[in-house]
Amino acid sequence: DTAVSQTPKYLVTQMGNDKSIKCEQNLGHDTMYWYKQDSKKFLKIMFSYNNKELIINETVPNRFSPKSPDKAHLNLHINSLELGDSAVYFCASSQETKITDTQYFGPGTRLTVL
Amino acid sequence: GQNIDQPTEMTATEGAIVQINCTYQTSGFNGLFWYQQHAGEAPTFLSYNVLDGLEEKGRFSSFLSRSKGYSYLLLKELQMKDSASYLCAVVDSNYQLIWGAGTKLIIKP
Repeated sequence: DTAVSQTPKYLVTQMGNDKSIKCEQNLGHDTMYWYKQDSKKFLKIMFSYNNKELIINETVPNRFSPKSPDKAHLNLHINSLELGDSAVYFCASSQETKITDTQYFGPGTRLTVL
Repeated sequence: GQNIDQPTEMTATEGAIVQINCTYQTSGFNGLFWYQQHAGEAPTFLSYNVLDGLEEKGRFSSFLSRSKGYSYLLLKELQMKDSASYLCAVVDSNYQLIWGAGTKLIIKP
């Protein structure tokens, strides 16, 4: 059974479109995250979210918005896609809200914006 | 600024030992992670150090020196499946996770 799952695995779309990436974790964790890994392989945290608090990396454009229908899901919605949004997006979860907790990553979604 | 430095790429031989270094300059320190990432896959947890010293876990060990801003990941009895990128990440004083770019380890027979 997959602990953290993401869909789709690959996403190819045109500039200006709006798209969503879904993430689900079945670990019973309280906190979920979204990361962007660019071509240089740096992992940059975009959001961390638990049922009490959303922490946003201030460098993330407001075209990106996390949506959490329940504790097990944290979806990423992106408006007006740009070429620079092309990257691999990873969802992750951890038991508690402490960043020092081990994070479990999903398989990633490779987004290509044409 | 905050900075994590790791070698970009290393090559080692199957059965040998390799040490991957990580140096950091961050605003405070609340722990250091090592993750393994195979090409095209998600990072997976290897170790977490918050106190100085060496922690051993099977073929992998991780060392930390907070006074030197330095850590290393030691891989013994290398296997072909150890070919991957190894990511160092530091938790700063604001409890933000700062990631290095990773070290690509190539294992040769």
